[in-house]
Amino acid sequence: AQSVTQPDIHITVSEGASLELRCNYSYGATPYLFWYVQSPGQGLQLLLKYFSGDTLVQGIKGFEAEFKRSQSSFNLRKPSVHWSDAAEYFCAVGARSGTASKLTFGTGTRLQVTL
Amino acid sequence: DTAVSQTPKYLVTQMGNDKSIKCEQNLGHDTMYWYKQDSKKFLKIMFSYNNKELIINETVPNRFSPKSPDKAHLNLHINSLELGDSAVYFCASSPGVETQYFGPGTRLLVL
Repeated sequence: AQSVTQPDIHITVSEGASLELRCNYSYGATPYLFWYVQSPGQGLQLLLKYFSGDTLVQGIKGFEAEFKRSQSSFNLRKPSVHWSDAAEYFCAVGARSGTASKLTFGTGTRLQVTL
Repeated sequence: DTAVSQTPKYLVTQMGNDKSIKCEQNLGHDTMYWYKQDSKKFLKIMFSYNNKELIINETVPNRFSPKSPDKAHLNLHINSLELGDSAVYFCASSPGVETQYFGPGTRLLVL
């Protein structure tokens, strides 16, 4: 069975500083990997995804993530954080189940941005 | 245009009641899902339907019954609500096994 670990429960960064959120996964085959963001009281918005190909993927809002098979990691990065980036970030691995895909989520990392 | 919509947004009810949450997607996707997010923000899949056919059914109490009248709708009916059912319920849809797009969530509080 697949699993996702997000080691950091809570991270605080200053506005303008760089950001890296860690994600490690466990899955037997080539994974589908995702990062979603959830603002307070809101739904989940897709930031970026990795299915295959280039291991560095670009997403919305200036985010990027790098797939490293040897480390079973898919860390999310942003060079300069904005106050509006404060939210909960979820890493997920997708496993095919028939004609559907079962997403397994990490426990999330709460990002706080100080001005 | 809302891609995945859920109604109601908030639901407060008493223990033992029966309630339904509705989900609709206008993305033309064949596959729809229900997820539960608990008080610690942990998200777990409950069900998945593909074109009205049940594909994924996790170990969810049989008080929860999804119903898909057509491929654009996946409703969740919950019988005999319990305190532990309090959570945020998210609907999602996807074009098969690809990216899932989530609705805004329904916040259920059982008193």
